[in-house]
Amino acid sequence: KAGVTQTPRYLIKTRGQQVTLSCSPISGHRSVSWYQQTPGQGLQFLFEYFSETQRNKGNFPGRFSGRQFSNSRSEMNVSTLELGDSALYLCASSLYRVNTEAFFGQGTRLTVV
Amino acid sequence: TQLLEQSPQFLSIQEGENLTVYCNSSSVFSSLQWYRQEPGEGPVLLVTVVTGGEVKKLKRLTFQFGDARKDSSLHITAAQPGDTGLYLCAGAASGGSYIPTFGRGTSLIVHP
Repeated sequence: KAGVTQTPRYLIKTRGQQVTLSCSPISGHRSVSWYQQTPGQGLQFLFEYFSETQRNKGNFPGRFSGRQFSNSRSEMNVSTLELGDSALYLCASSLYRVNTEAFFGQGTRLTVV
Repeated sequence: TQLLEQSPQFLSIQEGENLTVYCNSSSVFSSLQWYRQEPGEGPVLLVTVVTGGEVKKLKRLTFQFGDARKDSSLHITAAQPGDTGLYLCAGAASGGSYIPTFGRGTSLIVHP
């Protein structure tokens, strides 16, 4: 059974640009959540998608957005990048809602210069 | 304010030693998860505890959920270098908006 796949693994962007990250969940999993991980703040919840609908959102500005497709694959977009957006972005998939077993991808390391 | 407080933040021990990591909160959790994360990788789920007072064992790892479901601990017996990693507790507070929260983590290094 394939795990959670995130692409790309590494990304370098310039301030002001926008970026799209992709996540393919485990087959059959309908919930996809996104997290930002930094040394200073730890792992912080961005949002959760379930059956193509955003179910929950963390405390992040509107520059962070996402969507989920009918095959449960999800994308996360960050517009007008800032230096502080440099982080490891993790995607996690669950069979049902987030409060159950969650399986994480390897993450996308985003560096904003 | 961090909803889940983990301690200690760092641990550096010798192979064979025992250790305990704590995860505390003032909120009640319907369940708590423990994850281990290695550098450059995503967290890997170790266990989920659901019932107050529950104790779960995973080989040399023992997990306990507090009676009031506000705290949890992870005890490792006879630590090995392969146990090195960042240990994270996570959960979503009961009666809340279902927002999952992670502790800042305990970074464990086990020296051979």
